[in-house]
Amino acid sequence: AQSVAQPEDQVNVAEGNPLTVKCTYSVSGNPYLFWYVQYPNRGLQFLLKYITGDNLVKGSYGFEAEFNKSQTSFHLKKPSALVSDSALYFCAVRAPMDSSYKLIFGSGTRLLVRP
Amino acid sequence: DTGVSQDPRHKITKRGQNVTFRCDPISEHNRLYWYRQTLGQGPEFLTYFQNEAQLEKSRLLSDRFSAERPKGSFSTLEIQRTEQGDSAMYLCASSLIMAGWGSYEQYFGPGTRLTVT
Repeated sequence: AQSVAQPEDQVNVAEGNPLTVKCTYSVSGNPYLFWYVQYPNRGLQFLLKYITGDNLVKGSYGFEAEFNKSQTSFHLKKPSALVSDSALYFCAVRAPMDSSYKLIFGSGTRLLVRP
Repeated sequence: DTGVSQDPRHKITKRGQNVTFRCDPISEHNRLYWYRQTLGQGPEFLTYFQNEAQLEKSRLLSDRFSAERPKGSFSTLEIQRTEQGDSAMYLCASSLIMAGWGSYEQYFGPGTRLTVT
């Protein structure tokens, strides 16, 4: 069965410092991987995806993520954090042979950027 | 493109009552998904539609739940005889999937927060 693990419930970082939010996955075949962000009382907002190709993908708001097949990881990164990046971040995977294209989400990581 | 909209945003109901939620997807999107998100968890898949056809239902979708997408546009999710365990955020998402191409990402609405007292 497909699954996603986000090992950190919360990540704290100072504004201007680099941030990393970790994600590991388990899926049969080559995965499709996604990051979404959720602000309070809002739906999920798409940040970026990995389908194939370059292992480093760039997304919205200066975020990027690195796909590592050997470590089955897809960590979210940003070189310089902003206070406004504080939110709940979800990693998701889609199994390549699943015709529904449904997303399997991790439990989320709360990012807190302090001024 | 006004995005995915959901109505109502909040619903408080008493145990045993029926509730219905509506989702309006992005207009050209042919796929519509329903997810449920409980506190401290990520969204969990409930069901999805390809145009008006409901093609898959999760085990989470008990007999008390029913979803429709009658004309392949908006969708409704009804919960009958609500229970306290149904309290959650219900999220709708849409995407465009065509043979051989389409968007891989799903676009989410703001959700309907259900509280069952």
